[in-house]
Amino acid sequence: QVQLVQSGAEVKKPGSSVTVSCQVSGGTFTNFVINWVRHVPGHGLQSMGGIVPLLNTANYAQNFQDRISITADRSTSTVYMDLNSLRSEDTAIYYCARGQGSACTGGNCYFDLWGRGTLVTVSA
Amino acid sequence: DIQMTQSPSTLSASVGDRVTISCRASQHISPWLAWYQQKPGKAPKLLIYKASTLESGVPSRFSGGGSGTEFTLTISSLQPDDFATYYCQQYYTYSNTFGQGTILEIK
Repeated sequence: QVQLVQSGAEVKKPGSSVTVSCQVSGGTFTNFVINWVRHVPGHGLQSMGGIVPLLNTANYAQNFQDRISITADRSTSTVYMDLNSLRSEDTAIYYCARGQGSACTGGNCYFDLWGRGTLVTVSA
Repeated sequence: DIQMTQSPSTLSASVGDRVTISCRASQHISPWLAWYQQKPGKAPKLLIYKASTLESGVPSRFSGGGSGTEFTLTISSLQPDDFATYYCQQYYTYSNTFGQGTILEIK
């Protein structure tokens, strides 16, 4: 069945960048819309943005627009999320998720399949 | 961005109880509303989409309702596995947003 396989935990210094990957297995990559959602400890879920690999078009949440990049590699069925200028408040679990919905073309989707999450810790 | 406000923040209940969680949007979003369940250390699980459509495999004791800006998630008879955190999400706009979550705990 379709799975979203995420990369492993990361520890980063403030001011640096992190790349988290999400590989789609068991499905047709270009049929998917992939979004990134993070869960900050003690806080709720926060959408960061998404990508349509077929079109290679990405959209970003306003809160992250100036320091996030989401890309897709169709040859490896992998989506990458790059977040730069990291600060301690970015310590969170980062999830990739498959978007669904009749009007789902980017961020306007609900999420029916999730990766297991990647813990990113930002600490001096 | 559309703001999503859930109530209550914490709900204490017993096995067998009927419980309802509310979610209010800052503007009209109907019917583009989903509900998720999350347990510690796990990814969120989709329960309901399009306000009232039950995701495949989700028990029928879960139901969603509402329209416009006011929505509800109801669990008709709480089971031990249901104690978790619940989130609503609007996907009316490209900038989808989640509520702050409702912790459902054992009384």
